[in-house]
Amino acid sequence: EVQLVESGGGLVKPGGSLRLSCAASGFTFNSYSMNWVRQAPGGGLEWVASISRSSAYMYYADSVRGRFIISRDDAKNSLSLQMNSLRDEDTAIYYCARDTANHFDHWGQGTLVTVSS
Amino acid sequence: DIQLTQSPSTLSASVRDRVTVTCRASQAIGTWLAWLQQKPGKAPKLLIYGASTLESGVPSRFSGSGSGTEFTLTISSLQPDDFATYYCQQSNSYPWTFGQGTKVEVK
Repeated sequence: EVQLVESGGGLVKPGGSLRLSCAASGFTFNSYSMNWVRQAPGGGLEWVASISRSSAYMYYADSVRGRFIISRDDAKNSLSLQMNSLRDEDTAIYYCARDTANHFDHWGQGTLVTVSS
Repeated sequence: DIQLTQSPSTLSASVRDRVTVTCRASQAIGTWLAWLQQKPGKAPKLLIYGASTLESGVPSRFSGSGSGTEFTLTISSLQPDDFATYYCQQSNSYPWTFGQGTKVEVK
């Protein structure tokens, strides 16, 4: 069974940093691109970042480029999102999602990030 | 960036109704479109990809159609479990984008 479990969310002050992790199991992690998608409270879905197999390519939404870094550790079946210079508008539930032929076929349960002073 | 516009934003329906949600793209995306369902407090769930391919395990009352700039999600006979919010999502080009969502509520 495919499982994606996010962790690392919490309360952080504006300008602060946070690192999210996603532990993957039940599939061959290094064969898939992976993504982070977020959802602000009461809002819609927003794609944040993607990383290809072997970390060959990374892509970012304009809203986070230069502040967030997506990475993966295939040896540990783990996906990460380093979030720096956090803003109020980064407050959201962050989901990791597996990418199969450019569609998100499995999602984690999400981790809440709250940016507030 | 490719904008996706869903209509309606809210849809009131009854069990056994036929329900249709439309997603329009700001430029042609071929069939690089997926539909997802989300219930309150839960992660989204993939229903359809490639505009019309049903994800494994998804009931056959769900169907998708369209190509280019106009797409539809149809639920042939709405069931109690289908009251939720539905999103379209394009993967033709980065940045991947989502529609704003359509909430299907009880009439």
